[in-house]
Amino acid sequence: DADVTQTPRNRITKTGKRIMLECSQTKGHDRMYWYRQDPGLGLRLIYYSFDVKDINKGEISDGYSVSRQAQAKFSLSLESAIPNQTALYFCATSEGAYGYTFGSGTRLTVV
Amino acid sequence: AQSVSQHNHHVILSEAASLELGCNYSYGGTVNLFWYVQYPGQHLQLLLKYFSGDPLVKGIKGFEAEFIKSKFSFNLRKPSVQWSDTAEYFCAVNQAGTALIFGKGTTLSVSS
Repeated sequence: DADVTQTPRNRITKTGKRIMLECSQTKGHDRMYWYRQDPGLGLRLIYYSFDVKDINKGEISDGYSVSRQAQAKFSLSLESAIPNQTALYFCATSEGAYGYTFGSGTRLTVV
Repeated sequence: AQSVSQHNHHVILSEAASLELGCNYSYGGTVNLFWYVQYPGQHLQLLLKYFSGDPLVKGIKGFEAEFIKSKFSFNLRKPSVQWSDTAEYFCAVNQAGTALIFGKGTTLSVSS
């Protein structure tokens, strides 16, 4: 099994729908992150969590929310999806500031 | 605001040419520096990282990077590229207690 598992791998949804992207990790790390990747813009930080009780906004948190259900689980929600949220979403976990492990990504298309 | 700048959006090289990709950051104080690679259709892989010590860091697949503190730079180099190095390259920076912030990436195309 992968160290960081993201579900679903691909999703097409309609404008205005609520959607949740899930992430789980088996590394036993406290820190987890959500990024989105857009062509020409690199990876931008959406939210991050340094432990179960800690949630922090990143560079582009508007339109997104997160839930840290357990040390191993960190979900990203789009309350009302819009087309410009079409992107590749990556979850990551790290041990402190150093050893980051990324998931394989979720490709989300909002039509 | 803290930021990471990658100078080249798209670099095109022939096989065996030398590569240098620029990366500058705007953070003050102690930083941790990373280069990641993303091959077409794949997720991110760590090429190399710098935390402290020797500013010349060697990574996988023949890549190296040099940290120049006075220039706030961490440029990636490879003496001789191969077709298989075609990919997107990302510079990233963090500090203790902060999340990793990425540059916009450089697409490298190597022709055989």
